[in-house]
Amino acid sequence: EPEVTQTPSHQVTQMGQEVILRCVPISNHLYFYWYRQILGQKVEFLVSFYNNEISEKSEIFDDQFSVERPDGSNFTLKIRSTKLEDSAMYFCASLSGTPVGDGYTFGSGTRLTVV
Amino acid sequence: DQQVKQNSPSLSVQEGRISILNCDYTNSMFDYFLWYKKYPAEGPTFLISISSIKDKNEDGRFTVFLNKSAKHLSLHIVPSQPGDSAVYFCAASDLSTSGTYKYIFGTGTRLKVLA
Repeated sequence: EPEVTQTPSHQVTQMGQEVILRCVPISNHLYFYWYRQILGQKVEFLVSFYNNEISEKSEIFDDQFSVERPDGSNFTLKIRSTKLEDSAMYFCASLSGTPVGDGYTFGSGTRLTVV
Repeated sequence: DQQVKQNSPSLSVQEGRISILNCDYTNSMFDYFLWYKKYPAEGPTFLISISSIKDKNEDGRFTVFLNKSAKHLSLHIVPSQPGDSAVYFCAASDLSTSGTYKYIFGTGTRLKVLA
């Protein structure tokens, strides 16, 4: 069964450092997303990406965040200067474009720990 | 602004009995709803969905009920099994007006099925 792959599974970084979280969505999907879940809290929308551009972003997704799909397969989330409060599970998701049925396919997440 | 609410953070049910997980939403524009299941250290996995034109959708042991006037949906699991123990997230979207197919998630309910 096709799956969304995220790497690394766990990233520890020092405050102020840049991190890049990587995702390989399902190949024939058209819509791509990043969500995050701070420990014990809800899964929060960060950004959606379609047709090689951001289609929507949340208030969380400030100038420190950026996304790219550089080569048609990888979908990356960059945090330029990490803060302690960026520590969370980051989930990548993709969607085929047919909204009825199965919704998103999520990756297994990257746990980001900022120290 | 919490548009999707799951007011019960946890629920314990005896194996073989019915589990009922509840979700309330505030945005009357939402027209598509999903339930996701999440095990520790994994990404959420799709369970069942319902469109606002229906009031019930059934898939095996899982049934989702939608009450549009009350802005309430529920997930019924019958019979509950120990393997159903997980965190369940309700998610909603205004697919007919959203070009991004963004889903808003609730805070989750941790279900524990006791053997």
